[in-house]
Amino acid sequence: GAVVSQHPSRVICKSGTSVKIECRSLDFQATTMFWYRQFPKQSLMLMATSNEGSKATYEQGVEKDKFLINHASLTLSTLTVTSAHPEDSSFYICSARHPSTGELFFGEGSRLTVL
Amino acid sequence: QQPVQSPQAVILREGEDAVINCSSSKALYSVHWYRQKHGEAPIFLMILLKGGEQKGHDKISASFNEKKQQSSLYLTASQLSYSGTYFCGPREGGATNKLIFGTGTLLAVQP
Repeated sequence: GAVVSQHPSRVICKSGTSVKIECRSLDFQATTMFWYRQFPKQSLMLMATSNEGSKATYEQGVEKDKFLINHASLTLSTLTVTSAHPEDSSFYICSARHPSTGELFFGEGSRLTVL
Repeated sequence: QQPVQSPQAVILREGEDAVINCSSSKALYSVHWYRQKHGEAPIFLMILLKGGEQKGHDKISASFNEKKQQSSLYLTASQLSYSGTYFCGPREGGATNKLIFGTGTLLAVQP
């Protein structure tokens, strides 16, 4: 079964609305989760590092006010795309790092389409 | 800075071998290798931690050079199931230990 669960898998929204994506670590406690974005035929680009109980660390060029990250517990991180626009349409993937092995476990991904 | 992978794409016939290279401009803490099928999340293949390390399982293996700036993934006697996009994921050291993915290599194995 899935080690990291991501929801929703697909979402379509109107421009200007906000969308929340959840990432849950099912088998282990993850103090650190990562959020990636992937455009078609491109690599995964790290957006931010989500730290439990503290502020997320954003990569250069990623707007923290637009992509709100909350890591309220050791098993849940959320990404909220605020005031979404068509250019935000993408495949968003979260991952959680196993505390012992360092292996990254990925969620199933969420495909966002903004009309 | 994003690690560079080569080749960008490769087409093989079943049973052929392939090598995918991953190069970073700086020494890395470790390197991970992942394979991603279209529309799916990446799947972990292996992790290398030490300079000069080589490891593998089945017919997929990888190496990490002594300076820890380059890694190669070796696919031998390829199978149809090997098709997908391969990413190296060098892990930086320090407090965040974040994983930055390489540019990717598309592998297509044909019958």
